[in-house]
Amino acid sequence: NAGVTQTPKFQVLKTGQSMTLQCAQDMNHEYMSWYRQDPGMGLRLIHYSVGAGITDQGEVPNGYNVSRSTTEDFPLRLLSAAPSQTSVYFCASMTGGEKLFFGSGTQLSVL
Amino acid sequence: RKEVEQDPGPFNVPEGATVAFNCTYSNSASQSFFWYRQDCRKEPKLLMSVYSSGNEDGRFTAQLNRASQYISLLIRDSKLSDSATYLCVVNPGGSYIPTFGRGTSLIVHP
Repeated sequence: NAGVTQTPKFQVLKTGQSMTLQCAQDMNHEYMSWYRQDPGMGLRLIHYSVGAGITDQGEVPNGYNVSRSTTEDFPLRLLSAAPSQTSVYFCASMTGGEKLFFGSGTQLSVL
Repeated sequence: RKEVEQDPGPFNVPEGATVAFNCTYSNSASQSFFWYRQDCRKEPKLLMSVYSSGNEDGRFTAQLNRASQYISLLIRDSKLSDSATYLCVVNPGGSYIPTFGRGTSLIVHP
C-alpha cells in the first residue's frame, strides 16, 4: 500500500507564481486535509474535504484553493505565491474519525 | 482557550528517565484521542491511540481522564531515539476535523 503520496518534496517559487501540491491516497478514505506547519505554530488546517465534491475551509484558507473531484486526489493550489506561504505542507487522510495518515510533506520556499 | 493544549517544553531528560506529558481538551463531546510523534520536519506518525481504560505499548502508557478532560503519555526508560515532538490529537464526535495540540518537545540526553 502506498498510503498517502504527496508531491513535490521540495519547491522554490518566486512571489506571484502559482503551483499545485499534489496529494493522493489509495485507502479509500473519505476525509482528506491539508495542513501547514511553521516553527512554533504547530499544524494549522488549511482546507479539508469529507468526500468527493465536498470541500471546506480550515483555520488558514486564504491564498489557497482546493478541489476534490475523486476520492483519491486532493490537490492544493497556490494561485499567487507570497513569502508568507513559505512553510512545510502536509496532506493527510483518514476514515470515520480514526487515525490520520500523513504524506511525507512538501517544503515550500517563496522568494 | 485553545481547544487542545500542551506544554511545549522542551522536556530535557537523561537516558533511562521516566517522563510524562499531559494534554487538555475543551470539547467534552470528544470521541477519539491519539498521540503522534513527529521528528524534525518529518510527517507526524501515530504513536498510539488512547482508550478510556488506558493502554500500554512497551515503554509507552497512555491514559484518558474524561472527567478532567485530559490525556496523558508516560514514557519509561527513555532512549535517545525518543527525542521528538509529541502531538496530542483529539477527534470531536460527529465531525471529521481532528484538533491538534502544538506539541511537546522531548530531548533525551546521554
